[in-house]
Amino acid sequence: NAGVTQTPKFQVLKTGQSMTLQCAQDMNHEYMSWYRQDPGMGLRLIHYSVGAGITDQGEVPNGYNVSRSTTEDFPLRLLSAAPSQTSVYFCASSYSSGWDEQFFGPGTRLTVL
Amino acid sequence: SQQGEEDPQALSIQEGENATMNCSYKTSINNLQWYRQNSGRGLVHLILIRSNEREKHSGRLRVTLDTSKKSSSLLITASRAADTASYFCATDRGHMRFGAGTRLTVKP
Repeated sequence: NAGVTQTPKFQVLKTGQSMTLQCAQDMNHEYMSWYRQDPGMGLRLIHYSVGAGITDQGEVPNGYNVSRSTTEDFPLRLLSAAPSQTSVYFCASSYSSGWDEQFFGPGTRLTVL
Repeated sequence: SQQGEEDPQALSIQEGENATMNCSYKTSINNLQWYRQNSGRGLVHLILIRSNEREKHSGRLRVTLDTSKKSSSLLITASRAADTASYFCATDRGHMRFGAGTRLTVKP
């Protein structure tokens, strides 16, 4: 199993550009989530999904969109990038809920100029 | 807002020593988890302790939970240079909430 994969690993954007961060898992997990990690802030939940077709907002959803058309994929879209979105983004999945053991991807380091 | 708060923020010890990290939280929980993050990598799950458990072991790891004090501790015994990483506690208040972590450095 590849586990949780994320692409790209690094990305530089200009303010106002849009892009999609990809996340996929091959463990047939129902629950998937996106976090951002900023220095000294820990991980903060952006969006999550409890299954295909179902998504909901986390703590810091503004400026981000998600969709879950399949169990495997959970892309995160930045609609109009801002410098405040410079961060490291992690995708995670778990068997059935956000309270289970989370499996994390390797992260995407995003810089917005 | 962060639910778990780790203490200390940074810890530096010699190989072979024990490392203790603490986590405090504010509201009632069902379970508490500890994760490790090596530099530039994703988080890796270490151990989960439920609210009705007081202590749990996994190899060189020992986790305790005191729900009356709303705190948990992670003890790593006989530390190795490979234990150098950041350690996070996470609680299940609504969604999984992570603290800012303890950065552990183990010197060879």
